Amino acid sequence: DQQVKQNSPSLSVQEGRISILNCDYTNSMFDYFLWYKKYPAEGPTFLISISSIKDKNEDGRFTVFLNKSAKHLSLHIVPSQPGDSAVYFCAASQGGYQKVTFGTGTKLQVIP
Amino acid sequence: KAGVTQTPRYLIKTRGQQVTLSCSPISGHRSVSWYQQTPGQGLQFLFEYFSETQRNKGNFPGRFSGRQFSNSRSEMNVSTLELGDSALYLCASSLDGRGPGELFFGEGSRLTVL
Repeated sequence: DQQVKQNSPSLSVQEGRISILNCDYTNSMFDYFLWYKKYPAEGPTFLISISSIKDKNEDGRFTVFLNKSAKHLSLHIVPSQPGDSAVYFCAASQGGYQKVTFGTGTKLQVIP
Repeated sequence: KAGVTQTPRYLIKTRGQQVTLSCSPISGHRSVSWYQQTPGQGLQFLFEYFSETQRNKGNFPGRFSGRQFSNSRSEMNVSTLELGDSALYLCASSLDGRGPGELFFGEGSRLTVL
């Protein structure tokens, strides 16, 4: 049972434009949502997170939006840069970080 | 500050063998988690250790086991290897595994089972 779903395995965006990565979840008990970025041959690195009591969190070029009623979150990257090309994982946790549930990832390619 | 270190980075085993992977967390981090990454499956949670105790376990068979030492270093073991165990095994550490914060991942150990 995939509790965190990323339905788009890949996304291509022109440099300077907005990248929007989407994620859906089924477990209403998740209380924290995170995005991780992964480059080839490296481990995932934390990007941004949002608490379930908020609907938006912004950090520089990265903004995460949470729609609890739709059980949907999205990551916006504006403007997109070639260095943003990576696999992005959506993740969720419940009651702390002991067990984080990850999506299958979306490969973002930013075209110069 | 040194990051999470995993050894070995690459290894090849044959079916039926067993393997041990090692993880050294960031200094001061006491929680260590293990994840399996396979194509199309994302990262799947294996288990999490804190102060030498397994606090949480994912839905993997008993062939997958782990332990944590008093210095917070952790090992995971897979016995009777199967072809489907071929994956990237990632270790992540955090201060105490509780509350908001992020996981710090190592580069992973890529296991190939022939």
